[in-house]
Amino acid sequence: DTGVSQNPRHKITKRGQNVTFRCDPISEHNRLYWYRQTLGQGPEFLTYFQNEAQLEKSRLLSDRFSAERPKGSFSTLEIQRTEQGDSAMYLCASSLSGSPSVYGYTFGSGTRLTVV
Amino acid sequence: AQRVTQPEKLLSVFKGAPVELKCNYSYSGSPELFWYVQYSRQRLQLLLRHISRESIKGFTADLNKGETSFHLKKPFAQEEDSAMYYCALSGRNDMRFGAGTRLTVKP
Repeated sequence: DTGVSQNPRHKITKRGQNVTFRCDPISEHNRLYWYRQTLGQGPEFLTYFQNEAQLEKSRLLSDRFSAERPKGSFSTLEIQRTEQGDSAMYLCASSLSGSPSVYGYTFGSGTRLTVV
Repeated sequence: AQRVTQPEKLLSVFKGAPVELKCNYSYSGSPELFWYVQYSRQRLQLLLRHISRESIKGFTADLNKGETSFHLKKPFAQEEDSAMYYCALSGRNDMRFGAGTRLTVKP
């Protein structure tokens, strides 16, 4: 296990198209988080899962965004009808429940989305 | 409201000089604070946690509840410390990040 893995690393898409990103967390981590980062800003929370349950969603996550973690392992984040404002780095992180305050999160390298 | 403020977007110091990256927070409960670092072309990684009171790569950070601050300090900066630094506050279900400070250590 080499850490949190995200695919693809880069995605360029035309406005209006749908895109899907994948995140593979550290295998023993039961919590998985999605963040979005735009230029000059820190990561902004989008949503998180504990095992397969999606327990919280930010109001940043419009109805065009959907995230799943069907078997409590990998997760996907889909954006439908992409807009130019969706261009950002999408980060995935994982942690053990009960330990975020102790060990923090482990982040992936991110998927950079460019909507043209 | 849960909020993290890093007032400096950019900070530049000479090698060997002391460095302090500022972080202020607002949180109604008992805060759990972190510093993350992102070196060029690398992923975001945990630098240190207030709960452990540790020193990592010569950096320390003290939680000051009276001033609601968690400033990151290093007495003698090195060129390899050049990076983006993010202060983060752990809430009930998520972690909130500041906008980050880009530290440049000049030779």
